[in-house]
Amino acid sequence: AQSVTQLDSQVPVFEEAPVELRCNYSSSVSVYLFWYVQYPNQGLQLLLKYLSGSTLVKGINGFEAEFNKSQTSFHLRKPSVHISDTAEYFCAVSEPFGNEKLTFGTGTRLTIIP
Amino acid sequence: DAGVIQSPRHEVTEMGQEVTLRCKPISGHDYLFWYRQTMMRGLELLIYFNNNVPIDDSGMPEDRFSAKMPNASFSTLKIQPSEPRDSAVYFCASSPGQGLAPSTDTQYFGPGTRLTVL
Repeated sequence: AQSVTQLDSQVPVFEEAPVELRCNYSSSVSVYLFWYVQYPNQGLQLLLKYLSGSTLVKGINGFEAEFNKSQTSFHLRKPSVHISDTAEYFCAVSEPFGNEKLTFGTGTRLTIIP
Repeated sequence: DAGVIQSPRHEVTEMGQEVTLRCKPISGHDYLFWYRQTMMRGLELLIYFNNNVPIDDSGMPEDRFSAKMPNASFSTLKIQPSEPRDSAVYFCASSPGQGLAPSTDTQYFGPGTRLTVL
């Protein structure tokens, strides 16, 4: 069965500093990987996803993530954060040819310090 | 499109009462998912439907929970009787599911229903 680990429950970062949110997955087969963002009092929305091809995936709002198969990781990065990036970020995984379920990590709360 | 619509946005009820949460998915989407979010357990998938048919309800906590999708534009999640431990934010999401691999789809989430059971 697939699983996702987000090691950092909270990450405080100064405005305009870079940030990396970590995600590791476990699966017996190849996977599809997703990052979703949840702004306060809202539903989740997709930031980016990796399906195949280039391991560097670019998403909305200046975020990008790199798929590393050998390390089973899919870390999310942004070179310079803004106050508006304050939100909770969820990594998720699904399996090709499996069911259509997404398995979510426990989330990382990103707090931007002015 | 207006996106996924959920109602009510907030619900406060007393223990033992029946609670019905409603969801209207994005038109044309074949998949509908119900999630529950709590501080303790994070985001949990409760049940999902494909073309109005329940596919996997293994996440439904117990018999007090039931979900229906009578047509492509409407789904309900019912809790009867409700208990304080059911307090959570309940999300509905939909996805197109019209490609070769539905597991690649983006899920579109509604704004959620915040349920408080006293």
